Amino acid sequence: GAGVSQTPSNKVTEKGKYVELRCDPISGHTALYWYRQSLGQGPEFLIYFQGTGAADDSGLPNDRFFAVRPEGSVSTLKIQRTERGDSAVYLCASSPTDAFSGANVLTFGAGSRLTVL
Amino acid sequence: LAKTTQPISMDSYEGQEVNITCSHNNIATNDYITWYQQFPSQGPRFIIQGYKTKVTNEVASLFIPADRKSSTLSLPRVSLSDTAVYYCLVGDPDNAGNNRKLIWGLGTSLAVNP
Repeated sequence: GAGVSQTPSNKVTEKGKYVELRCDPISGHTALYWYRQSLGQGPEFLIYFQGTGAADDSGLPNDRFFAVRPEGSVSTLKIQRTERGDSAVYLCASSPTDAFSGANVLTFGAGSRLTVL
Repeated sequence: LAKTTQPISMDSYEGQEVNITCSHNNIATNDYITWYQQFPSQGPRFIIQGYKTKVTNEVASLFIPADRKSSTLSLPRVSLSDTAVYYCLVGDPDNAGNNRKLIWGLGTSLAVNP
């Protein structure tokens, strides 16, 4: 697609529930990133995929968070047993390669706003 | 701790030039300076990137002095639609592993008034 698409744009759930957030990156981008952004803060890195594999998941806060990218394109971020502290905007970004210079900068989606009641 | 320091907020008026300065006293030899813009309810968007002296594109200019300990994003003749948060990031393009985990900081919230 023309840009990075994220669904749903808004998700309200109850504490303890399971949620899935989807990211459809720019076609052909092999690198995919998930970030989390709390109100008034900058994005915080969660996990990075190069192709189908999670090459760096060091930013995931705990084992309730998991992400997959089975075919090297669409990715799903999964959060189990949600807590109120998980409320944030979850941003997905993609890049042609895992580099941060010139054309290989990150293209972000609009994000999925998660609210845990 | 963030590697950069920026003003938390700035105010301007339509048609003015806006300059946002970012301090990065501990910038490393291989680090580049990158600026992103973020509108409400959207993800950050790349604006400009530079290493030294001056870089200009259709959106902005980036001025970097010789010591590279600071940089200034210049937005010419701002309009209401330039109201956004602007983030300054410093990182080595060849060290993607570190760049992924950069602390973005709070950015500079620019308000453009009519």
